[in-house]
This record gives sequence, structure tokens and C-alpha cells, in this order.
Amino acid sequence: AQSVTQLGSHVSVSEGALVLLRCNYSSSVPPYLFWYVQYPNQGLQLLLKYTSAATLVKGINGFEAEFKKSETSFHLTKPSAHMSDAAEYFCAVSDRGAAGNKLTFGGGTRVLVKP
Amino acid sequence: GAGVSQSPSNKVTEKGKDVELRCDPISGHTALYWYRQRLGQGLEFLIYFQGNSAPDKSGLPSDRFSAERTGESVSTLTIQRTQQEDSAVYLCASSRGVNTEAFFGQGTRLTVV
Repeated sequence: AQSVTQLGSHVSVSEGALVLLRCNYSSSVPPYLFWYVQYPNQGLQLLLKYTSAATLVKGINGFEAEFKKSETSFHLTKPSAHMSDAAEYFCAVSDRGAAGNKLTFGGGTRVLVKP
Repeated sequence: GAGVSQSPSNKVTEKGKDVELRCDPISGHTALYWYRQRLGQGLEFLIYFQGNSAPDKSGLPSDRFSAERTGESVSTLTIQRTQQEDSAVYLCASSRGVNTEAFFGQGTRLTVV
């Protein structure tokens, strides 16, 4: 069974400061990993994904995440927060197998950006 | 269509009534998912359709919940005898196939009063 843990349901950062959102996963097989963002009153949008190529993955809007197998982590970072980054962020994992890619999500982290 | 479309966008229903939620996936996407998002919580997997394979129903919370999909097109999620704890945003997503990006609709906000 897969599971995803996001540390911190709420994160507050100042504009221009580093954004760090933590995600740890458990999976019995090598996983695919995803970060999604949900802006207020909108659907989920894919930020980036790890599918076994480079362990450092760059996504949209200046975000990146690093897959660390030894730590079973896939933390999301952005060097300089912008007001438009205020949203809820979800980490997700899926099996790499051919059985399908049912996504298992973490509980989400809501980011507040202070001016 | 250009994206995943869900209808209605909002639904208020009385406790005990049945509701049907509709999802139109992106054309050509063989995989379709339903998730539930309760207020302040993460996404809870409900059911997954992949092509003509038997659906993965492992996330359905009770036998009051069911879903159907016609071929690789529209899906309906039905909740019978709704309860207040069913109040949530129900999200649908579709993807081209195995281990490809899932695109989400904007959801149906269900309120059971």
C-alpha cells in the first residue's frame, strides 16, 4: 500500500523567501511522484512529476523538487516566494507498474505568502 | 473538449436523496478517476476506470456509492440516500493512460442539508 505524508498543513512565508514543502512517501515498488497545486476555487494543476529520469525535477512557476530514495522524500522548493504562490499544494504517489496509476495524495499544505 | 468538465458545479440536496454527478473526460483519455475532498482535507481516492478493465472500486466508502463509465467517455458517480458526511467536493480527473499526467476538473461541490 502507498501513503504520502506532508509535514505541515499550513506554511507561512514572506514574499521573496524560500518556499519549502515537505513530502515523504511509502511505496512497495519504485514510485512515480507528483506535486499538484490548487488555487482558490480551481481544480488541481500539475506542478511537476518524477518518473525515474533526473532526480531533480523542475516544474512550472519556478518550483522544483528532488527525489531522494534513501530518505523516501520528494520535497518541493522555490527560491523566492511570490504572492501568486498562495495556494494549496498536494504531493501524490503512484505505482510504476502496469496496473494503473491510481494516485494517492497527501493531506495538502496550504501556503500563505506575506507581503 | 479542452479539459475535464464536471456538472453540476454545485449541488445542494436533502439528506436521504440520491444524487448523480457527471464527468466528461478529455477526449482520448482512457483513464478516469473520482476523488473526494472534504473541507480542509486532502484528496480521498474513490474509484478508477482504465479502458475496458474492471474498475478499481477500492476507495468507495460504502455501498451507497457507485460509479459507471460508458466506454472511454462520460462517467457518473451516484450517491444514494445521501448523508451529511457526504458533503464534499467531488473531483474527477482523466489521463491518457498508465502513469501519465492526470488532468482534473473543477469539481462538484455537494452539500447535504
